Amino acid sequence: DIQMTQSPSSLSASVGDRLTITCRASQGIYNYLAWYQQRPGKPPKLLIYAASTLLSGVPSRFSGSGSGTDFTLTISGLQPEDFATYYCQKYNSVPFTFGPGTKVDIK
Amino acid sequence: QVQLVQSGTEVKRPGSSVKVSCKASGDNFSNYPVNWVRQAPGEGLEWMGRIIPLLGRADYAQKFQDRVTITADESSSTAYMELNSLRSDDSAIYYCARHLLATGGFDLWGQGTRVTVSS
Repeated sequence: DIQMTQSPSSLSASVGDRLTITCRASQGIYNYLAWYQQRPGKPPKLLIYAASTLLSGVPSRFSGSGSGTDFTLTISGLQPEDFATYYCQKYNSVPFTFGPGTKVDIK
Repeated sequence: QVQLVQSGTEVKRPGSSVKVSCKASGDNFSNYPVNWVRQAPGEGLEWMGRIIPLLGRADYAQKFQDRVTITADESSSTAYMELNSLRSDDSAIYYCARHLLATGGFDLWGQGTRVTVSS
């Protein structure tokens, strides 16, 4: 099975910061990569699919890039509601493995 | 408005089984696969398996292959996840989620069902 890793596992940031989270697949997955945001006590929320396509209604400060094995999620101008945990997920074929997550908290 | 509504909290004994339901409302249930994802306390997301209602076919993560059964009842637009031989480390929140094949990713999630396994 393809393994998914993320870095960093956690980071501290301030409102207004620009931050980048990296996701790596152990084998190529083309662009079959999704990003989710999860706030405490809530289900995950899909932000980006196909590595770089923003789901309708998601703020434009979120962006994604990459293909093959290396992907990034960038948040430009961090807002208070963005402090959460972010997960990547491959969906080219089963199993639809998630990355271990990146927790973003307030500096 | 499309929703996935899951059944309520469960408390189970080790060795028993649990069956969680996920009812879809406001859309054609057969049009998309329904996945099950769990999250243990303080941990990440773990994909367990999925069912494609139109085909009645399920796929499972290898870790759960011997213990989980995912089914769907198109007449009631409900998917089910049954996990057998429960252990304490099965204590988690279990989510169902819709996979929109036309786009990608799981765009709609149930509210989650907390399952606690304790003697």
